[in-house]
Amino acid sequence: DGGITQSPKYLFRKEGQNVTLSCEQNLNHDAMYWYRQDPGQGLRLIYYSQIVNDFQKGDIAEGYSVSREKKESFPLTVTSAQKNPTAFYLCASSPGRHQETQYFGPGTRLLVL
Amino acid sequence: RKEVEQDPGPFNVPEGATVAFNCTYSNSASQSFFWYRQDCRKEPKLLMSVYSSGNEDGRFTAQLNRASQYISLLIRDSKLSDSATYLCVVNLYSGGYQKVTFGTGTKLQVIP
Repeated sequence: DGGITQSPKYLFRKEGQNVTLSCEQNLNHDAMYWYRQDPGQGLRLIYYSQIVNDFQKGDIAEGYSVSREKKESFPLTVTSAQKNPTAFYLCASSPGRHQETQYFGPGTRLLVL
Repeated sequence: RKEVEQDPGPFNVPEGATVAFNCTYSNSASQSFFWYRQDCRKEPKLLMSVYSSGNEDGRFTAQLNRASQYISLLIRDSKLSDSATYLCVVNLYSGGYQKVTFGTGTKLQVIP
């Protein structure tokens, strides 16, 4: 079954702690994306990657970091520098090469303790 | 002006009604457009792409008006299961990179 998986579904972070959200896809897509969604708001782009070993900052990259060492994987680290991390985090992928339709994973809800 | 704007709603319509949403975009160089559906506390799912000539998928019709810089989604014969938030998405390629912008969504509630 092809798709995008995100784990965990819920994640709790303590003050000053870094946490990493997993995103894996087996769709053979080149491009991957991380979004943040706050209650009642739209999706805001954190980071995206169009190809392995390359990624670009989105609109709200501060306090986040990513890596793209493998085509299938695009983990997001929420660092302690992100002062308001409570949100719904969505990972997406698209075929790339100007095929922009994005397919989303089920999301991770991050809560700060 | 926001890059992509949608009326947040909610649109409360009775079953069987026809409802239409618009989404305006600010960058005239935008190249591709989509409608997504998002259920409460779930991920967005692609509803349909929007083509220049307009396109239809069952009860759903999407249209693009480049001159006035908006896209629209028409839902005919609304079902209870259509209740969701509808997001428009605008894509632009610039300098070799893709810029994807989501609208904040329009909430639809179909009432029995």
